[in-house]
Amino acid sequence: DVVLTQSPLSLPVTLGQPASISCRSSQSLVHSDGRTYLSWFQQRPGQSPRRLIYEASNRESGVPDRFSGSASGTDFTLKISRVEAEDVTVYFCLQGKYWPYTFGQGTKLEIK
Amino acid sequence: QVHLVESGGGVVQPGRSLRLSCTASGFLFNTYNMHWVRQPPGKGLEGVATILYDGSMQGYADSVKGRFTISRDNSKSTLYLQMDGLRAEDTALYYCAQDNKQGSIDHWGQGTPVTVSS
Repeated sequence: DVVLTQSPLSLPVTLGQPASISCRSSQSLVHSDGRTYLSWFQQRPGQSPRRLIYEASNRESGVPDRFSGSASGTDFTLKISRVEAEDVTVYFCLQGKYWPYTFGQGTKLEIK
Repeated sequence: QVHLVESGGGVVQPGRSLRLSCTASGFLFNTYNMHWVRQPPGKGLEGVATILYDGSMQGYADSVKGRFTISRDNSKSTLYLQMDGLRAEDTALYYCAQDNKQGSIDHWGQGTPVTVSS
């Protein structure tokens, strides 16, 4: 199975400051159709995951523009330009090129 | 509006079986691949099984291969997960999820809890 390694697993953040989460894949996630099948999800306690970013860098409709995704080879990054209180929760990356889909371990944002 | 409702979870002894169901509405069920994803208490997400839109192909995580079977009934817009030989490490919230046809997951159910304990 494809392994996604997220880091850090816990990220102390300051409100109003930027934050960055990394996700490294053990294999290329570029599909034969040219798209990169890596997405980012946010999960609040007691809720199902919500997709923020698809195809590595495309923001989902309705997601604040402080969230952005980028890719460099098999390294992927989710950035929050200015962390707000509602952003302090857990984030996962997901690869959808290979079956079964696999997830990163999750990164928990915490107030510093 | 897409709606996914899981059912069938509960408390079961190790070695026993359980069958989860997911009833789908709001989209053309027979044109979408579907997934079961689980989340142990306080932990991350694990893709358990995936099935092609027409049921002709399935994929499983190594942790459940040979014990779990994913299936679907497109006439009933329902997804299933037959879980045999359950172990304590299978304890989790099990989500039904709709593929987006481009390598991601669009919609999730609310999950059904499974606890394996003697």
